[in-house]
Amino acid sequence: SQKIEQNSEALNIQEGKTATLTCNYTNYSPAYLQWYRQDPGRGPVFLLLIRENEKEKRKERLKVTFDTTLKQSLFHITASQPADSATYLCALDRGYGNNRLAFGKGNQVVVIP
Amino acid sequence: SAVISQKPSRDICQRGTSLTIQCQVDSQVTMMFWYRQQPGQSLTLIATANQGSEATYESGFVIDKFPISRPNLTFSTLTVSNMSPEDSSIYLCSVVGGGSNTGELFFGEGSRLTVL
Repeated sequence: SQKIEQNSEALNIQEGKTATLTCNYTNYSPAYLQWYRQDPGRGPVFLLLIRENEKEKRKERLKVTFDTTLKQSLFHITASQPADSATYLCALDRGYGNNRLAFGKGNQVVVIP
Repeated sequence: SAVISQKPSRDICQRGTSLTIQCQVDSQVTMMFWYRQQPGQSLTLIATANQGSEATYESGFVIDKFPISRPNLTFSTLTVSNMSPEDSSIYLCSVVGGGSNTGELFFGEGSRLTVL
């Protein structure tokens, strides 16, 4: 069956350190993968997109990698700040086109001052 | 970017009733998506709503339970019919930003439904 797995345990990290989140998928062949941020009571907000032929993408303090062999994406927040505390969702293309994405359950990050 | 307004933001409903959620976008869009986010679960796509045609439902979702209207390019409604406690969830409307087929999704703030 198709699965997208993100760590269900919250990641508690000291301010200034790098937070690393993992997204593993099974039985998908995504052309691209996206990461979203979701704050409590809010809708998800898009952060980054990485395509299958890209190894790494950066945006300010964020970095995403995509390994289609391992079927895994890593999401890094460098120099983390308390304002980075949120849930981060991995989403991937299901191969049907038209932006019909499949989402992981998300991984909560808590940045401790 | 797109700004999406959803109504209601939350509601408490009785079992067996139906509720319609409205989604208004500040620009014309071809496709609108309705997602459900149940407690502790991932965002799950219910259906894709295109203006001028029937909505396309994902596996496990049917029109009788989740009828959708798309009267124009900026507005859509999702009705949750004959509700049961299992329908307690956050329902989110989203649209694609940008012109490419791999564009980011913009989401509304969600409608949190509690069914008693």
